[in-house]
Amino acid sequence: AQSVAQPEDQVNVAEGNPLTVKCTYSVSGNPYLFWYVQYPNRGLQFLLKYITGDNLVKGSYGFEAEFNKSQTSFHLKKPSALVSDSALYFCAVRGSNTGGFKTIFGAGTRLFVKA
Amino acid sequence: SQTIHQWPATLVQPVGSPLSLECTVEGTSNPNLYWYRQAAGRGLQLLFYSVGIGQISSEVPQNLSASRPQDRQFILSSKKLLLSDSGFYLCAWSVRTAHYNEQFFGPGTRLTVL
Repeated sequence: AQSVAQPEDQVNVAEGNPLTVKCTYSVSGNPYLFWYVQYPNRGLQFLLKYITGDNLVKGSYGFEAEFNKSQTSFHLKKPSALVSDSALYFCAVRGSNTGGFKTIFGAGTRLFVKA
Repeated sequence: SQTIHQWPATLVQPVGSPLSLECTVEGTSNPNLYWYRQAAGRGLQLLFYSVGIGQISSEVPQNLSASRPQDRQFILSSKKLLLSDSGFYLCAWSVRTAHYNEQFFGPGTRLTVL
């Protein structure tokens, strides 16, 4: 069965410091991995995805994520956090062997960036 | 460019009343369509997804149903709402061509059942 774990409910960082939001997954077949961001009372916005190839994926707003097959992880990172990055972040996975286009989302991690 | 619409934006309904939430997508053809529910501002629960007109896959047994009467229209319904149906309902679409395509979400409908 597919699953996604975001072990931290909340991450607090100071503006200008690097940030990491963690994600681990379990999936049948090759994983397709996604990160989304949600601002209050809004829908989710796509940030980046891993399909294949280079383990470091770059996305919107300066975010990047590193795929680690041996650790089944796909952590979201940013070298220098901004106050405006404060939001709810979701990791999601879809397996190449799963039927249909079902995507499993993690529970979400709330990021607070303090000025 | 593609856009996705959901309405209404907010809804307050009594227990036992019917429900109809609508989602439409513009600027694309043959999309995959999804309904999610988000409780208490946290994780997303996939309710239904559709890969074509009249084709609905249900993920969670419940008193909700979904229909896709047209290619770019996805409707979430209930005959009798329960208190536990309260939440933030999100519609999403993705390009059908490959499993690795990302999803694009609508603005959501906040449903409160009293």
